[in-house]
Amino acid sequence: GQNIDQPTEMTATEGAIVQINCTYQTSGFNGLFWYQQHAGEAPTFLSYNVLDGLEEKGRFSSFLSRSKGYSYLPLKELQMKDSASYLCAVLDSNYQLIWGAGTKLIIKP
Amino acid sequence: SQTIHQWPATLVQPVGSPLSLECTVEGTSNPNLYWYRQAAGRGLQLLFYSVGIGQISSEVPQNLSASRPQDRQFILSSKKLLLSDSGFYLCAWSEVAEDTGELFFGEGSRLTVL
Repeated sequence: GQNIDQPTEMTATEGAIVQINCTYQTSGFNGLFWYQQHAGEAPTFLSYNVLDGLEEKGRFSSFLSRSKGYSYLPLKELQMKDSASYLCAVLDSNYQLIWGAGTKLIIKP
Repeated sequence: SQTIHQWPATLVQPVGSPLSLECTVEGTSNPNLYWYRQAAGRGLQLLFYSVGIGQISSEVPQNLSASRPQDRQFILSSKKLLLSDSGFYLCAWSEVAEDTGELFFGEGSRLTVL
């Protein structure tokens, strides 16, 4: 079966650094996405990785290791507005997106 | 620029009543269109996707159906709602020619079935 694993919830302090992890087991791999979703709102695109390494995109970089089936989203200088759920999704061999359940990030002042 | 809208944003329906959620996309032609459902604590569940007018693929057997009467219109329907149909429904689109599969989501529709 296909599986995407992310921690259910994380807590961090404003101004700190946090790393949200995602591990996957899918039938094929054509890329990995990170989306941000504020409570009650639709997900919005953050980043996309298809090659190994760090994809830098402003505040929302993302790292991928295809051999380990692993990605992480490093968030620096956390702001209160970063409180949201972060969704990891993998594009499988059929170009279908397989979604993780999301990681709810709680930021405290 | 491309935009996507879905409505209604919120609705409360009794068990056994019908459902119609609508989604329209502007600023692009022949998009791939999707209906997802998001339950609390679970990943997004793909319900239907469409690659063209009248072409609907169903991912999950259920009492829901979808239709694409026009190129940029996607409708999610039910003849008789169940309690288990409650959830957050998201319409999305992607470029046909874009293999990265990036999705652009509508605002979402929160359905409560009582």
